[in-house]
Amino acid sequence: GAVVSQHPSWVICKSGTSVKIECRSLDFQATTMFWYRQFPKQSLMLMATSNEGSKATYEQGVEKDKFLINHASLTLSTLTVTSAHPEDSSFYICSAIGRVGYEQYFGPGTRLTVT
Amino acid sequence: GQNIDQPTEMTATEGAIVQINCTYQTSGFNGLFWYQQHAGEAPTFLSYNVLDGLEEKGRFSSFLSRSKGYSYLLLKELQMKDSASYLCAVLRYGNKLVFGAGTILRVKS
Repeated sequence: GAVVSQHPSWVICKSGTSVKIECRSLDFQATTMFWYRQFPKQSLMLMATSNEGSKATYEQGVEKDKFLINHASLTLSTLTVTSAHPEDSSFYICSAIGRVGYEQYFGPGTRLTVT
Repeated sequence: GQNIDQPTEMTATEGAIVQINCTYQTSGFNGLFWYQQHAGEAPTFLSYNVLDGLEEKGRFSSFLSRSKGYSYLLLKELQMKDSASYLCAVLRYGNKLVFGAGTILRVKS
């Protein structure tokens, strides 16, 4: 149980375009989802916290107009990187927690490359 | 502020025991997690400590001292597949995880 999927697993896009990444909890309802970014040889940095039916809470330094997060249902959150630039190339990972408990279940990650 | 420190890299021999330390200073503490992460993959859960003491789970054990802001992950009977990055993460209020930079463990034969 407690499986989280991400789609796509990797994506290459051109500078200036937008990319949408989906995060789904497959066998549980996720009241809260988190989005992280990880640059090579660095640790995970929390970008935002997403609660179903409400606006996402962004961490300091993360542009909310550039990284649009939608948590429309208890099993799906999406991250859209708008007007992507090469410096947005990174590994994006989502995680989810259920109604009970605190453990975060991580998705497999999405490798974004902006050319 | 928040600060989580762990060694950058460690090397150990197959079959041996290795201890990865983590010290932390955070505002708000709700427990400490250890994750394993292979390159290009998402982190996988190893352990969670919220009370002082040692938690043992097979070859992996984790220790926490809240008063000292200190934890360690102990890996026994090292195998080549244990070569990975090990992340220490503090759970803050609001279910937010703050990660350390990770320790790259290299297991050699």
